[in-house]
Amino acid sequence: TAGITQAPTSQILAAGRSMTLRCTQDMRHNAMYWYRQDLGLGLRLIHYSNTAGTTGKGEVPDGYSVSRANTDDFPLTLASAVPSQTSVYFCASSGDAGEVNEQFFGPGTRLTVL
Amino acid sequence: GQNIDQPTEMTATEGAIVQINCTYQTSGFNGLFWYQQHAGEAPTFLSYNVLDGLEEKGRFSSFLSRSKGYSYLLLKELQMKDSASYLCAVFDSNYQLIWGAGTKLIIKP
Repeated sequence: TAGITQAPTSQILAAGRSMTLRCTQDMRHNAMYWYRQDLGLGLRLIHYSNTAGTTGKGEVPDGYSVSRANTDDFPLTLASAVPSQTSVYFCASSGDAGEVNEQFFGPGTRLTVL
Repeated sequence: GQNIDQPTEMTATEGAIVQINCTYQTSGFNGLFWYQQHAGEAPTFLSYNVLDGLEEKGRFSSFLSRSKGYSYLLLKELQMKDSASYLCAVFDSNYQLIWGAGTKLIIKP
């Protein structure tokens, strides 16, 4: 079982360019999340989706957009990257939003914006 | 605002015991998680507490006091592979997971 996969593993991106980070899970989880992790700041929620067809804003949504066309996929798009978006991005999923469930994490995408 | 505090870094000796503390101030409480994260890897689930008291799982135990807004993770018989960051996270009243910045644990032989 793959669990959650993310692509790419790492990327160097020129400022102003757009990019989509991919996330796919095979656990049929309803809830999915995008976090960024920066040194000393811990995990910060960017966007989330409680179920297919719905999305919501987290703590740091500016500059990012998401979509949830189906249960398995939850891509994160940077429309016009800026250096402050340099970070490690983790996708996660859990059983149902509104319940206490363990979150399962993908391996992460290390993004550098120059 | 919501806040979770953990020590930034701790050092311990192989074979010893270490306690990593976590204090929280959140809008509501629906449970507390501990995750382990090795350098360059994803966080992985360690434990969950929702009621006061101690939950034991092998070499790892987690304690919760809701009245004090306090939890700790206790690691016994430390091994070199326990060198990692340990993340404390709280489910608030909206079932949003609020994360601490993590405690980097360094194990020395």
